[in-house]
Amino acid sequence: GDSVTQMEGPVTLSEEAFLTINCTYTATGYPSLFWYVQYPGEGLQLLLKATKADDKGSNKGFEATYRKETTSFHLEKGSVQVSDSAVYFCALSDISGGYSTLTFGKGTMLLVSP
Amino acid sequence: NAGVTQTPKFQVLKTGQSMTLQCAQDMNHNSMYWYRQDPGMGLRLIYYSASEGTTDKGEVPNGYNVSRLNKREFSLRLESAAPSQTSVYFCASRVPGGSSYEQYFGPGTRLTVT
Repeated sequence: GDSVTQMEGPVTLSEEAFLTINCTYTATGYPSLFWYVQYPGEGLQLLLKATKADDKGSNKGFEATYRKETTSFHLEKGSVQVSDSAVYFCALSDISGGYSTLTFGKGTMLLVSP
Repeated sequence: NAGVTQTPKFQVLKTGQSMTLQCAQDMNHNSMYWYRQDPGMGLRLIYYSASEGTTDKGEVPNGYNVSRLNKREFSLRLESAAPSQTSVYFCASRVPGGSSYEQYFGPGTRLTVT
């Protein structure tokens, strides 16, 4: 079945540092790929998405490129802020029996210090 | 436009008690989902409903039942709670049509079973 693997955390960075969170996937079809963010005590929010190979999703300074050849969707940001501290989830969508579902990675906690 | 709402936010149950988690969305979405989130496990799909009147099992359905009451509401019931069901429960709904299959999440219900 489909699966998503992302780097284990926590990732600890100083403010203004460069961020990379790795994500690779296994899927039989051509899924859409997502990054969701979860701030403490809150639900998941869609951060960015890409629906086909070579698409780049971007939002709030975060970027990720859908790489079919390496089955990857790594999240990057050039200069992190303390307010970016959260848990980040990589996910893919799939169609099963005509219905769409999301498969999530286990999440990566990011801690940014001033 | 409240998006996806969930009640209650917190709940403590004793083993063997029953309860229903409520979820509602006001975005006119057809598909709705219930997930549980456990430390180090990411989000796992419990049940989903592709449309009013239909429900299907996800990855971890044992010990749960669901009802799609109408297009807006999708409830999750624990008939006889067990400590293994201690978790944070998220409801989500999906944008109809399109190709990206992104989901919108509620704020979650934190359930403790003692």
